[in-house]
Amino acid sequence: EVQLLESGGGLVQPGGSLRLSCAASGFTFTNYAMNWVRQAPGKGLEWVSSISNNGGSKNYADSVKGRFTISRDNSGSTLYVQMSSLRAEDTAIYYCARGRGGAYSFDYWGQGTLVTVSS
Amino acid sequence: EIVLTQSPVTLSLSPGDRATLSCRASQSVSSYLAWYQQKPGQAPRLLIYDASNRAPGIPARFSGSGSGTDFTLTISSLEPEDFAVYYCQHRSSWPLTFGGGTKVEIK
Repeated sequence: EVQLLESGGGLVQPGGSLRLSCAASGFTFTNYAMNWVRQAPGKGLEWVSSISNNGGSKNYADSVKGRFTISRDNSGSTLYVQMSSLRAEDTAIYYCARGRGGAYSFDYWGQGTLVTVSS
Repeated sequence: EIVLTQSPVTLSLSPGDRATLSCRASQSVSSYLAWYQQKPGQAPRLLIYDASNRAPGIPARFSGSGSGTDFTLTISSLEPEDFAVYYCQHRSSWPLTFGGGTKVEIK
């Protein structure tokens, strides 16, 4: 059974940093691109970042470019996002999602971790 | 950036009705469009990928069509569990984007 379990969310002050993790199990992690998608309270879905299966290709939404860094540990089947210079508008539930079949639609999602940026 | 516009924003229907949801892209995304369902407090679920392919385990009452800039998600006969928010998403180019969503509510 495919499982994605996010962790690392919490309350952080504006300008602060946070690292989210996503532990994957139930599939061969190295075969799949991985992604972060977020959802602000009461709002729609927003793609944040994607990383290819070998980590060689990374892409970011303009809203987080230069502040967020996606990475992965294929030996430990874990996806990360390092978030810095956090703003109030980064407040959201952050979902980890698997890329279907090596592409970038999202076939499995974690339950999400809430990041709140507030003083 | 490709903008995806979903319509209507809200669809008020009864169980057993047919639901037709639209997603229009600001430029061609070929067939690289997916549809997701999200219920309150839950993560989204992939329904349709590449415009018309049902994801594993998705009931046959869900179907997708379209290519280029105009896409449709059809639910042939609404079940009580289908009342939710639906999003489209393209993977044609970076950045990936989602539509704003259509809420299917009980009339």
